[in-house]
Amino acid sequence: QLHLVQSGAELRKPGASVKVSCKASEDTFTTYHVHWVRQAPGQGLEWMGIITPSSGITTYPERFRGRVTMTGDTSTSTVYMELHNLRSGDTAIYYCAREFNGDFWFDPWGQGTLVTVSS
Amino acid sequence: QSALTQPASVSGSPGQSITISCTGTTSDFGSYNSVTWYQQHPGKAPKVVIYGVYSRPSGVSNRFSGSKSGTSATLGITGLQTGDEADYYCGTWDSSLTVYIFGTGTKVTVL
Repeated sequence: QLHLVQSGAELRKPGASVKVSCKASEDTFTTYHVHWVRQAPGQGLEWMGIITPSSGITTYPERFRGRVTMTGDTSTSTVYMELHNLRSGDTAIYYCAREFNGDFWFDPWGQGTLVTVSS
Repeated sequence: QSALTQPASVSGSPGQSITISCTGTTSDFGSYNSVTWYQQHPGKAPKVVIYGVYSRPSGVSNRFSGSKSGTSATLGITGLQTGDEADYYCGTWDSSLTVYIFGTGTKVTVL
């Protein structure tokens, strides 16, 4: 059964960047689509984009275009999400999730990584 | 990119049935049967209870059901249990904008 393990909590100042990792327990992970979703404190889920690690192809929603970079390392079955020019509104839990069977549903999810942006 | 619309809260007594609606646009629900319902308990990652509008992943109780009509989808929960108390989000792929959209979320309270 596939498990996703994310990197630990991060504290950044406004204007800085953060890179969150998501490591899979199986090598086949990188053949799937991987999505990133965030959740601000007390708020709903927000989709940040998708990467297919085996090809490196990414799609980002307009609101994050130019500020987010998703990459993958097939040799370690790890994907990364880097968010640049952080502001206080980026304080959130960031999740990675595998798209199951290419059917637009996400399972499993990583445990989440809390990113706090504060001066 | 706008969110799908869900009621903020729904409540019911143990054993009762409830439904949660999820309203979008033609491009949200379009030709894809890609509506997914996620359950999220406090401090936990979301978990899928319904995918592909109607289907339940292995291990999810058959008390959960899904349906879709036009530009709305519905999650039904029968025989409400205290463990069902959680936030629920719908989600779907918007084929025209090529983005994934989540619903605004519904807090289910078991009275």
